[in-house]
Amino acid sequence: LAKTTQPISMDSYEGQEVNITCSHNNIATNDYITWYQQFPSQGPRFIIQGYKTKVTNEVASLFIPADRKSSTLSLPRVSLSDTAVYYCLVGENRGSTLGRLYFGRGTQLTVWP
Amino acid sequence: EPEVTQTPSHQVTQMGQEVILRCVPISNHLYFYWYRQILGQKVEFLVSFYNNEISEKSEIFDDQFSVERPDGSNFTLKIRSTKLEDSAMYFCASSGEGNTEAFFGQGTRLTVV
Repeated sequence: LAKTTQPISMDSYEGQEVNITCSHNNIATNDYITWYQQFPSQGPRFIIQGYKTKVTNEVASLFIPADRKSSTLSLPRVSLSDTAVYYCLVGENRGSTLGRLYFGRGTQLTVWP
Repeated sequence: EPEVTQTPSHQVTQMGQEVILRCVPISNHLYFYWYRQILGQKVEFLVSFYNNEISEKSEIFDDQFSVERPDGSNFTLKIRSTKLEDSAMYFCASSGEGNTEAFFGQGTRLTVV
């Protein structure tokens, strides 16, 4: 199981781009990188997933270098409502089934006005 | 947008009592999960369920816990003889065939007194 390391906390101001980097030096060939967001007293919410290079959706972008030992979640122009804990997860793609998710401590992002 | 719903949102119980936490997964999903999060701690996997049987469970999921899909829509977690340390947010999640993300409910806050 690949261990992930990410900053405990980050601060930003509204309108700025935020980049949260996650290290996963022991990532395996079959592992995917997934990011979840969690607001206080709510369940985690899927943001984005990738295997290599760059993935973009309506919420965020995920950058994965060629060696895949790290990944960066990029949130463009954050707002106060993006204040949340962001989790980087690394896990095997089992094909049809998702399998258990391993959550670390995550990164507490605080966006200030 | 389809969502996972959990009831009750908050449950207070006395130590030693049995509780049943209820979840209605997204209707066409086949894989169901329970996670818990003790206040200030990580989100921890408890159990996954597929095809009417447990497919995986963590070391936390001991004989005190059981899961059931009593009908076509509900998925329950039963905790027998609750302990103070069972106090936590309990999240139900579901995923579909070939899905790469888990959809989490809003959680049930269990307080054991």
